Amino acid sequence: KNEVEQSPQNLTAQEGEFITINCSYSVGISALHWLQQHPGGGIVSLFMLSSGKKKHGRLIATINIQEKHSSLHITASHPRDSAVYICAVGVIQGAQKLVFGQGTRLTINP
Amino acid sequence: ETGVTQTPRHLVMGMTNKKSLKCEQHLGHNAMYWYKQSAKKPLELMFVYNFKEQTENNSVPSRFSPECPNSSHLFLHLHTLQPEDSALYLCASSQDWAQGEVSYEQYFGPGTRLTVT
Repeated sequence: KNEVEQSPQNLTAQEGEFITINCSYSVGISALHWLQQHPGGGIVSLFMLSSGKKKHGRLIATINIQEKHSSLHITASHPRDSAVYICAVGVIQGAQKLVFGQGTRLTINP
Repeated sequence: ETGVTQTPRHLVMGMTNKKSLKCEQHLGHNAMYWYKQSAKKPLELMFVYNFKEQTENNSVPSRFSPECPNSSHLFLHLHTLQPEDSALYLCASSQDWAQGEVSYEQYFGPGTRLTVT
């Protein structure tokens, strides 16, 4: 079992739908990162959080440290949100050593 | 140039070749990373440098040899690679750290897509 598990692995939705991607981890962490990877490979950091909730535009990330679970939500989804979303955790000992989930491929149809 | 740049963007090499990947960051960071992304596998950390010192080698085979001459540049020297080394190689940078317990946001380059024939 991977230390970081994401679900679902693939998600297809219609434009405007509310999207939720989940991430569970099994190790002690200093922070959890949500990343976005577009076709072609470039990766952009969306959020880094160690508690509570963060919001940026239509994106919301939450984390529950006790349950070792995080969610990424997208409101009013748009075709340009189509990408692979990756959860990664910075482990407590060696916080710069990120351990990655396998990614969630999101496709938003117009 | 801004952000993190990587060259070349695409590379095809034979198993007996020697080549190098280059990464440069213009963000004033002092920590740099190499990652490997193989098809259908999660991203894997390869190496971490903090202030030019290697702080992490994630059991990477010796046919991959990193070099960090200064805080802005990072190289990955490749020799006698195997076809299974074909992957997207990503470089990233972040703020430096004094202790290991704090995680910092990482900024990624566009990657080098490597094909070993």
